[in-house]
Amino acid sequence: KAGVTQTPRYLIKTRGQQVTLSCSPISGHRSVSWYQQTPGQGLQFLFEYFSETQRNKGNFPGRFSGRQFSNSRSEMNVSTLELGDSALYLCASSLSRTELYNEQFFGPGTRLTVL
Amino acid sequence: GQNIDQPTEMTATEGAIVQINCTYQTSGFNGLFWYQQHAGEAPTFLSYNVLDGLEEKGRFSSFLSRSKGYSYLLLKELQMKDSASYLCAVRGNSNYQLIWGAGTKLIIKP
Repeated sequence: KAGVTQTPRYLIKTRGQQVTLSCSPISGHRSVSWYQQTPGQGLQFLFEYFSETQRNKGNFPGRFSGRQFSNSRSEMNVSTLELGDSALYLCASSLSRTELYNEQFFGPGTRLTVL
Repeated sequence: GQNIDQPTEMTATEGAIVQINCTYQTSGFNGLFWYQQHAGEAPTFLSYNVLDGLEEKGRFSSFLSRSKGYSYLLLKELQMKDSASYLCAVRGNSNYQLIWGAGTKLIIKP
C-alpha cells in the first residue's frame, strides 16, 4: 500500500508570491490534515478535510487555505507569502476522523523557503 | 487554554534507558499519542494510550495517568537509531483534533 505522498518536496519562493502544495492520502483514507512545522514550535495544526469539507481549522490567517477533491487528494494554498511562512508543511491522512484511536499517517512534507 | 509540555532536549547513552515526559492540559481527553520523527523525515506512530497504565511494545513503553495529566515514553536498550524527536499529542474533546507538543529531541551518545 502506497504511503502519503506530497509534492513538491522542496520549494523556494519570494515574499508576496503564492504557493500550492499537494497531498495524496493513503488509498481509502478520507481524512487529510495539514500541519506547519518549524524548529521549536512543534506541529501547528492548519486544517482538516473530510469528504471534501473542511472540518477543523487552526489559528492561521486567511492567507492559508485548502481544499479536498472527491478522490480525497488535498491541496493547500498560501497567498502573499511572508518570510515567516518558511517551514516544513506536513500532510497526514487517516481512515476516519471520529474514532478515538485514529492513527495519522504522515507524508514526507514539503520544505518551503521564502526569500 | 490547551497546553502540552515536553522537555526540549535529552541526552542518553547507547544501551541505557531514558524516560521522556509529557504533561497536558486539554479540554477533555480522548487519548494520547506518541510519534517518532527522525531528522528530515515524517513522524511515525509509536503508541496510543487512552486508559491509565503502561503499554509495552518491544523496547518502547508508554504510560498514562489521566488524573495527573501525565504520560511518559520509556525507551530501553537505547540504540543510535533512536536519536530522533519524540512528539506527544493529545486528542481533546474539540472536534477530535490532535493537540501537539513541541517535541523532545533525543540525542544518543556512544
